[in-house]
Amino acid sequence: EAGVAQSPRYKIIEKRQSVAFWCNPISGHATLYWYQQILGQGPKLLIQFQNNGVVDDSQLPKDRFSAERLKGVDSTLKIQPAKLEDSAVYLCASTDPRGDRLNTGELFFGEGSRLTVL
Amino acid sequence: AQSVTQLGSHVSVSEGALVLLRCNYSSSVPPYLFWYVQYPNQGLQLLLKYTSAATLVKGINGFEAEFKKSETSFHLTKPSAHMSDAAEYFCAVSGYNQGGKLIFGQGTELSVKP
Repeated sequence: EAGVAQSPRYKIIEKRQSVAFWCNPISGHATLYWYQQILGQGPKLLIQFQNNGVVDDSQLPKDRFSAERLKGVDSTLKIQPAKLEDSAVYLCASTDPRGDRLNTGELFFGEGSRLTVL
Repeated sequence: AQSVTQLGSHVSVSEGALVLLRCNYSSSVPPYLFWYVQYPNQGLQLLLKYTSAATLVKGINGFEAEFKKSETSFHLTKPSAHMSDAAEYFCAVSGYNQGGKLIFGQGTELSVKP
């Protein structure tokens, strides 16, 4: 079974530029998450999708971050304009609620997209 | 509100020695608890999880963790460290019916000396 795919793996941009990250979850996983992992910290949830609808985006800085999952499969996370403090690894994760009957929150993560803002 | 505290941002052990990584949680609802491992330049991989069944949970690669409600702890152990165990370890908590909304600790980097 293929895992969660993310691209690009690495991106370096100047502040105030824009960047987009792409995620393809495990086939059949209805729930998709974007987490931000700043160096030296644990991942922090940015947004959660159920199919193509947003379940929770309370931690997403909406003045500069946006995310979509138009067809309920792939997702894109965009940052515009980027700030220095956005330097982080952006992790995509997915899960299949039908396979996680207790709804425990076991997630399957991609390798992440590392963003450096200069 | 839920939170996780990992004691010690860096732990160093010798190969063959006991590994103990500490995690304390705070949760207003019965928690589900997780340990994830992250190797350099890779995503997070689930080591083990506690879902209110057995309090002693066995995971992959010889790791195990014990849920102690009285101590609000979920420490990770391995009897004998291997060089390949060197990685970052994250403890995380979610609550009943809050699937996917994991709250992570800040991580503990494990170094293994030959």
